[in-house]
Amino acid sequence: NAGVTQTPKFQVLKTGQSMTLQCAQDMNHNSMYWYRQDPGMGLRLIYYSASEGTTDKGEVPNGYNVSRLNKREFSLRLESAAPSQTSVYFCASSQLDQPQHFGDGTRLSIL
Amino acid sequence: AQSVAQPEDQVNVAEGNPLTVKCTYSVSGNPYLFWYVQYPNRGLQFLLKYITGDNLVKGSYGFEAEFNKSQTSFHLKKPSALVSDSALYFCAVRDRDDAGNMLTFGGGTRLMVKP
Repeated sequence: NAGVTQTPKFQVLKTGQSMTLQCAQDMNHNSMYWYRQDPGMGLRLIYYSASEGTTDKGEVPNGYNVSRLNKREFSLRLESAAPSQTSVYFCASSQLDQPQHFGDGTRLSIL
Repeated sequence: AQSVAQPEDQVNVAEGNPLTVKCTYSVSGNPYLFWYVQYPNRGLQFLLKYITGDNLVKGSYGFEAEFNKSQTSFHLKKPSALVSDSALYFCAVRDRDDAGNMLTFGGGTRLMVKP
């Protein structure tokens, strides 16, 4: 009963490096989301995918790209990491009008 | 645009006492409202939601929340707090007419229950 699985759990990057955060869900949900969590700011939506084949920008999309690879998988890419992107990243999935289910996060530090 | 305010960064309560975590919201249409809880090094877990109907919503682990349309509030409550309730709590809102199911979260309130 995995739910939403995120990899890696931890990562340290140098400024300017690139990396991809992976997310997979096994609940057959149509919608998937990427958030970042910073102290005192709650969760802010980076990108979302309402269904397979579609992606849209959220509140804070700059510096990120996403790919909805198939119905199960939704990846987040940092092309050129910056210290301001140090954060905890959460992936979530849902069916329309139902609560979102969250992964356990990726803790990303950029030096 | 939609927004959520959680006015208290931290709430302290003694075990066995009632607890309230406050949330107010702003949305252009009719709201869907949610409470989530986060334990250390974990993702958010769904507690309860208000979609329509009764203003008092009951959720997991004995929590409940009251929807008040005139005050645009959705405060989380529990009659008797447990030490294990200590965690970070988030209120979230979405516009019912938003097809993308995009949630807007408050900044979170840390609940500390002391023995």
